[in-house]
Amino acid sequence: QKEVEQNSGPLSVPEGAIASLNCTYSDRGSQSFFWYRQYSGKSPELIMFIYSNGDKEDGRFTAQLNKASQYVSLLIRDSQPSDSATYLCAVNKVTGNQFYFGTGTSLTVIP
Amino acid sequence: NAGVMQNPRHLVRRRGQEARLRCSPMKGHSHVYWYRQLPEEGLKFMVYLQKENIIDESGMPKERFSAEFPKEGPSILRIQQVVRGDSAAYFCASSLGGDTQYFGPGTRLTVL
Repeated sequence: QKEVEQNSGPLSVPEGAIASLNCTYSDRGSQSFFWYRQYSGKSPELIMFIYSNGDKEDGRFTAQLNKASQYVSLLIRDSQPSDSATYLCAVNKVTGNQFYFGTGTSLTVIP
Repeated sequence: NAGVMQNPRHLVRRRGQEARLRCSPMKGHSHVYWYRQLPEEGLKFMVYLQKENIIDESGMPKERFSAEFPKEGPSILRIQQVVRGDSAAYFCASSLGGDTQYFGPGTRLTVL
């Protein structure tokens, strides 16, 4: 079983819609959760992190964490073509240890 | 530029040569991580270092690969006797206290 699983996509949404990206993780004791965005040929860029159950909002982005279901999601409101990228979910089991990355979900926002 | 620095950005080597990839973490960060990414694939953890110590090298191939993070200077990922399968993007990330990681621009290694 993979540590972190994401649907590879591609996920296509029209401009202005809400994009919903999902991630599940296997270790119930995982402590911190991260979303990165990676444009083609570029390095991953941190979007958000979340530690506690519930929602965390930052501009058009909302991260949701449900530890009971071992589920993390990222919502992108008012999607823009510039949001088209691969979104990577990462999980840190224990602070100071390695991150486990999902394989990423490819998002395309259609103008 | 206060971000994570990597050099070179592109590196071409012939089979059997050595590749040295460098990473300077963000100012104040003492935790460095190396990842490899093959085309159309996810990030694969290789090694986690703190100054002068290897903390976790569970993702590092047992042969030809080594990493260090000396007291002074950048972290170095060294690949000896490169083979075509080593061609990939190698990313370095740094963190302040072992938590949130910030990535450098990567080194694209091509083995001819």
